[in-house]
Amino acid sequence: DIQMTQSPSSLSASVGDRVTITCRASQSISTYLNWYQQRPGKAPKLLISSAFSLQSGVPSRFGGSGSGTDFTLTISCLQPEDFATYYCQQTYRTPITFGQGTRLEIK
Amino acid sequence: QVQLQQSGPGLVKPSQTLSLTCAISGDSVSSNSAAWNWIRQSPSRGLEWLGRTYYRSKWYNDYAVSVQRRIIINPDTSKSQISLQLNSVTPEDTAIYYCARAYEYNAYGMDVWGQGTTVTVSS
Repeated sequence: DIQMTQSPSSLSASVGDRVTITCRASQSISTYLNWYQQRPGKAPKLLISSAFSLQSGVPSRFGGSGSGTDFTLTISCLQPEDFATYYCQQTYRTPITFGQGTRLEIK
Repeated sequence: QVQLQQSGPGLVKPSQTLSLTCAISGDSVSSNSAAWNWIRQSPSRGLEWLGRTYYRSKWYNDYAVSVQRRIIINPDTSKSQISLQLNSVTPEDTAIYYCARAYEYNAYGMDVWGQGTTVTVSS
């Protein structure tokens, strides 16, 4: 299985800050990397697919980059609704696997 | 607007079978570029992909190794739904279960999710 490791596991930040979450795959996955946001009690929401393709309706303050084994999710100018948990996911090979999540909290 | 509506019991006894359905509206379960997934989430295991079904001139299934001896995912084209059957459940199968759609053009990112079903395995 391809292991996905996110860092940090949790992060405290303030409204208006810029934050970066990293995701590392245990082997190359090209750009088969997706990012999700999950709020408490809700299903995950797809933010970015193929490492950098922003989904329709997702604010442009979200951005993704990377290829191979190292990827980043950047949120510029944090808004109150961005405080949630973020997951990366690889779909390069089955079994599809997720990172353990990064909890973004208000400082 | 694509919607996935899940149904099924929230309580299952140990050793019995967990059965859930996911009704699809606004899309076709037989789409030649979609895949229909089941995922579960628990505090101990995080987000865990269980398997998927998809149609590419014929039906295919992929399953996670951790459940492959116990799981069946079936499409039902007449009802436009997919189903999940997980046999011989134990308390470790207690989780929130989701169905989700993925498309090839989206690197199989899961862009539409069901509402989730909380399943507890307990006698």
